[in-house]
Amino acid sequence: QVQLGQSGAEVKKPGASVKVSCKASGYTFTSYYIQWVRQAPGQGLEWMGMFNPSGGSTNYAQKFQGRLTMTRDTSTTTVYMELSSLRSEDTAVYYCARGRSTWSTMDVWGQGTTVTVSS
Amino acid sequence: QSALTQPPSASGSPGQSVTISCTGTSSDVGGYNYVSWYQQHPGKAPKLMIYEVSRRPSGVPDRFSGSKSGNTASLTVSGLQAEDEADYYCCSYASSNNVVFGGGTKVTVL
Repeated sequence: QVQLGQSGAEVKKPGASVKVSCKASGYTFTSYYIQWVRQAPGQGLEWMGMFNPSGGSTNYAQKFQGRLTMTRDTSTTTVYMELSSLRSEDTAVYYCARGRSTWSTMDVWGQGTTVTVSS
Repeated sequence: QSALTQPPSASGSPGQSVTISCTGTSSDVGGYNYVSWYQQHPGKAPKLMIYEVSRRPSGVPDRFSGSKSGNTASLTVSGLQAEDEADYYCCSYASSNNVVFGGGTKVTVL
């Protein structure tokens, strides 16, 4: 069945980088976008950016410009999200989701990856 | 891009209906028919309930319906059931290839 499997929890120090993986299975990897959404503790959902596995194009939310990088490995149908210059406010659960061309439609979600930024 | 505006809470008794509003601008909700709604239970990933304003994915009960008027979208849950108690988020495509979420609404089944 269609699934997105994410990497495990991470603990990072302020100023470090984190790289979260999202492995797609059960569908044609290049036919859907991958969206990244995060949720800080007790807070709402926040869109971070979009990755198009067909060609590798990206669109990042302005808030994350310069700190966010999304890449792919087509041989393993995996998309990566790397966030640099981490600060405590980046502590959150990070989700990948399969997206359609309408952008706001995310029909399959990963299980989430908890990233904790603490000194 | 500012977040869409949702009421923080809504409630209803079993069997009743509850409607959640989601207000944006002409640059997001009002400008495109690309509004979706997500249900999230505590500790779980969000689940798509409505997309493209009023379309329901396979497997979502027809008790859930969506609509839009101007810059405001709405989600209605009819025949409330205990399992509908959750947080609900609206989401819209926004101009210049952006996506914006609402702040979320906690639905309580009394």
